[in-house]
Amino acid sequence: QKEVEQNSGPLSVPEGAIASLNCTYSDRGSQSFFWYRQYSGKSPELIMSIYSNGDKEDGRFTAQLNKASQYVSLLIRDSQPSDSATYLCAVNTASGGSYIPTFGRGTSLIVHP
Amino acid sequence: DAGVIQSPRHEVTEMGQEVTLRCKPISGHNSLFWYRQTMMRGLELLIYFNNNVPIDDSGMPEDRFSAKMPNASFSTLKIQPSEPRDSAVYFCASSVAGSYEQYFGPGTRLTVT
Repeated sequence: QKEVEQNSGPLSVPEGAIASLNCTYSDRGSQSFFWYRQYSGKSPELIMSIYSNGDKEDGRFTAQLNKASQYVSLLIRDSQPSDSATYLCAVNTASGGSYIPTFGRGTSLIVHP
Repeated sequence: DAGVIQSPRHEVTEMGQEVTLRCKPISGHNSLFWYRQTMMRGLELLIYFNNNVPIDDSGMPEDRFSAKMPNASFSTLKIQPSEPRDSAVYFCASSVAGSYEQYFGPGTRLTVT
């Protein structure tokens, strides 16, 4: 069973701080990694994708990937109350002759004013 | 541009009844995914299609569930007969084949009494 693990939280940070969200995965062959944001009662929304080791920055978001450690993280700089949501990590894991997306259970982030 | 369209948005039905959920992917996307989300199990992949062909249906819980994609712009997920444990939010997502950067529809909230 290929797994994607996240701390369920909630992670509580003050406005303006850096929020750090972490995800580990079990399939060493995984090649594609994604972060989705899901507001309560809404559908997941893609915010970052990363495919190679290192950092990828997009505005206030930075995704970090370390394939050797099977670890992917998301940093949110200058956190805002509007960032309060559940963040889902998704990893493509091998299944038969193809890859399927496997989601973690998500980390709840609360940014308080 | 229109995003992924799902219907109905809400469905309440009695145990034993047939339920059909519908999805229209984003034009030009040739991969389509069906998910189920519950508090207990998180976001689970049920089945996904590439170019209208089912690629992986290992997540379909049992024979009561079936999915079809008769053309590039339409897919259905059918549950027959429905049971109370099928109550969940069902999401459809689409992507360009091979990218796995998924765009989710608004979901269908299914309640089986």
